[in-house]
Amino acid sequence: DAMVIQNPRYQVTQFGKPVTLSCSQTLNHNVMYWYQQKSSQAPKLLFHYYDKDFNNEADTPDNFQSRRPNTSFCFLDIRSPGLGDAAMYLCATSREAGNTEAFFGQGTRLTVV
Amino acid sequence: GNSVTQMEGPVTLSEEAFLTINCTYTATGYPSLFWYVQYPGEGLQLLLKATKADDKGSNKGFEATYRKETTSFHLEKGSVQVSDSAVYFCALFISRGSYIPTFGRGTSLIVHP
Repeated sequence: DAMVIQNPRYQVTQFGKPVTLSCSQTLNHNVMYWYQQKSSQAPKLLFHYYDKDFNNEADTPDNFQSRRPNTSFCFLDIRSPGLGDAAMYLCATSREAGNTEAFFGQGTRLTVV
Repeated sequence: GNSVTQMEGPVTLSEEAFLTINCTYTATGYPSLFWYVQYPGEGLQLLLKATKADDKGSNKGFEATYRKETTSFHLEKGSVQVSDSAVYFCALFISRGSYIPTFGRGTSLIVHP
């Protein structure tokens, strides 16, 4: 059974139209991450939550926001998508401590038209 | 800062050939090291990990040894299959409060029958 679920798998949005991607987990992990992955590149960390504490990477554009209403759910909001925001968006979770692995969802492929 | 460097791909092999994908890292502190695999259109899956120097991670015929003296974690497999065709990511996890994964850019493996 999938433990980290991302919806939708594919999202098409218009230039400048706000879009929300969702992630849910059944692992009860404290840490949730959002990554952006462009073709043939490494996943780039946008931000992460440690419980309710939000941690933004210094180079994440203001256009990207996130919400975590409870342990199980986390949302990525792109306020005004540009063509350069087209990418695969990956959600991941991990336990709070120890040399633990990150569990990834299947990703959401975002297309901006 | 922390970083991971992987050999550039694609790596193209015939079935049953020996595989090596090089990975080196720089990190402050004592990271845990991971290999993830990504099949087309999918999220990342953990392949193997090692949490301290000289540990060997292994899974599905793949192996990698954590070499602190050379700061390396090279991925090997004795006999590849067509089904191993995917992108392989080397990653390190190090504590910044919570554990933050840093990924290499990935190495594409193509295995021909």
